[in-house]
Amino acid sequence: DIQMTQSPSTVSASVGDRVTITCRASQGISSWLAWYQQKPGKGPKLLIYEASSLKGGVPSRFSGSGSGTDFTLTISSLQPEDFATYYCQQSNSLPFTFGQGTKLEIK
Amino acid sequence: EVQLVESGGALVQPGGSLRLSCVASEFTFSSYWLHWVRQVPGKGLVWISRINGDGSITNYADSAKGRFTISRDNAKNTVYLQMNNLRADDTAVYYCARVWAARQPFDQWGQGTLVTVSS
Repeated sequence: DIQMTQSPSTVSASVGDRVTITCRASQGISSWLAWYQQKPGKGPKLLIYEASSLKGGVPSRFSGSGSGTDFTLTISSLQPEDFATYYCQQSNSLPFTFGQGTKLEIK
Repeated sequence: EVQLVESGGALVQPGGSLRLSCVASEFTFSSYWLHWVRQVPGKGLVWISRINGDGSITNYADSAKGRFTISRDNAKNTVYLQMNNLRADDTAVYYCARVWAARQPFDQWGQGTLVTVSS
């Protein structure tokens, strides 16, 4: 199985800050990586797919980059609604696997 | 509005069975792969199973093989997860999610249904 490792596990930031979350795959996954946002009691929401493609309707302050084994999610200017948990996920091969999550907290 | 709505979660004893359902609306159901993903409350997401558009291809995580069965009824816009021989470590919120093509992401998720396995 491909292991996905996110860092940090928790990040504290303020409205307006720039935040970067990293995700590393245990083997190459090309660009088959997605990022999701999850708020308490809700299902995840897709933000980024194929490493850098922004899903329609997602604010442009979200961006993704990377290929192979190393990927990043960047939020350019945090808004109050962005405080949530973020997950990366690989779809290169079964079983599809997720990172352990990064909780974005208000500083 | 595109929606996936799960149901069927309950409290069940170890060794018991449960069938989860996920009803879809406002999209061409048979064109999508449907997946089940679970999440222990407060923990991360774990992929369980998937089924293709016509039901001819199914795949399972090792934790589900031999105990869980995914199926779909395209006439009812519904995907199912039959879970047998349930264990305490199956306790989780179960989500269904759709994928438009192989290797694409989960672009729509349901709200989840809670399964609790306990005596």
